[in-house]
Amino acid sequence: EIVLTQSPGTLSLSPGERATLSCRASQSISINSLAWYQHRPGQAPRLVVYRAASRATGIPDRFSGSGSGADFTLTISRLEPEDFAVYYCHQYGDSPTFGQGTKLEI
Amino acid sequence: QVQLVQSGGEVKQPGASVRVSCETFGYTFISYGINWVRQAPGQGLEWIGWIAGYDGVTRLAHKLQTRLTLTRDTSTGVAYMDLRSLTTDDTAVYYCTRELGTVGGIWQYDYAYWGQGTLVTVSS
Repeated sequence: EIVLTQSPGTLSLSPGERATLSCRASQSISINSLAWYQHRPGQAPRLVVYRAASRATGIPDRFSGSGSGADFTLTISRLEPEDFAVYYCHQYGDSPTFGQGTKLEI
Repeated sequence: QVQLVQSGGEVKQPGASVRVSCETFGYTFISYGINWVRQAPGQGLEWIGWIAGYDGVTRLAHKLQTRLTLTRDTSTGVAYMDLRSLTTDDTAVYYCTRELGTVGGIWQYDYAYWGQGTLVTVSS
């Protein structure tokens, strides 16, 4: 099973600042299978980035994904109030797994 | 538009079984697989299984293989999750999700559409 480790566990920032979230896999994975999800309290998770760097429908361009091999990054260029949530990276290889999440808080 | 509507919350005793349904709208049901994901209180997201829309083939998380069954009814566009021998560790919000589909000629299995979630509480 591929383990995804996210860092930091909690990221405290202010609106307008830049957020950088990291996801490291225990082995190299295909970029086609790496995604990021946003999860706000009381709501279903939402696909933000798929294929490591492609924004999902309706996701603003302040969100960007990058990386390859075993290291991936989600960057939010200028935080808006609605961006504060928990973010999970995910891979759907033979046995899909999620990272433990990064809580982005004000 | 694409919608997934799940059945309501359940409260079960340890040892019981639970069925959660996921009714789909707005797309051709057999063309996309359905994944199930759960979140226990205070925990992260956990993938528990997948069922192919076309032929019903399933892949299940190893830890749940003996207790979990995924099925679908192609005539109604509904997917089902059945979990047996419940323990308190199965208390969670359960989500059904639909695959993204083909992008640039490559099938993407990412979870593009989500149901609203179903809280399953296991308590004596």
